[in-house]
Amino acid sequence: AQSVTQLDSQVPVFEEAPVELRCNYSSSVSVYLFWYVQYPNQGLQLLLKYLSGSTLVKGINGFEAEFNKSQTSFHLRKPSVHISDTAEYFCAVSPWMDSSYKLIFGSGTRLLVRP
Amino acid sequence: DADVTQTPRNRITKTGKRIMLECSQTKGHDRMYWYRQDPGLGLRLIYYSFDVKDINKGEISDGYSVSRQAQAKFSLSLESAIPNQTALYFCATSDPTGKDTGELFFGEGSRLTVL
Repeated sequence: AQSVTQLDSQVPVFEEAPVELRCNYSSSVSVYLFWYVQYPNQGLQLLLKYLSGSTLVKGINGFEAEFNKSQTSFHLRKPSVHISDTAEYFCAVSPWMDSSYKLIFGSGTRLLVRP
Repeated sequence: DADVTQTPRNRITKTGKRIMLECSQTKGHDRMYWYRQDPGLGLRLIYYSFDVKDINKGEISDGYSVSRQAQAKFSLSLESAIPNQTALYFCATSDPTGKDTGELFFGEGSRLTVL
């Protein structure tokens, strides 16, 4: 079975500061890794994903994440945040060999960007 | 128009009532999913479907049923709603064979309140 841990339920940060949202996962098999963002009153939107290849993945809106297999982590980073980045961010995994492609989500991290 | 459309967007009902949440998609994807979102718990999978004849339970299917009326339509029913089914419900689709491997495409959510 797989599980995803997002240790920080809320991360407050000032505008233009860097941010890192942490994600650790547990799995006995290889997984695909995802970060989704949910803006207020909206559905989830894909930020970025890691399927294979380079462990540094770049996504939309200036976000990037690095897959670290030894630490089973997939932390999300942005060098300079904007007010508009205020949202909830979800890390998710999907086992490689699971043909259902269902995602297992973490509990989410609320990013609050202050002026 | 949204690729994944959920109706209703908001519903308030009473304990014991039957409720149906509907999802339709124009992405042409075979796979459809119903997730439930609760604060602090992230998203949990209720049911998923590979096609109209293939429906599978997720991790929290008790108290729910689904119907896949066509490739584009996937409905979630609560036969007798109870207050702890108050949540935000998301429909999603995926296409594991194309360039969007592993990615889920979400609707905007249906907020259900059971009094």
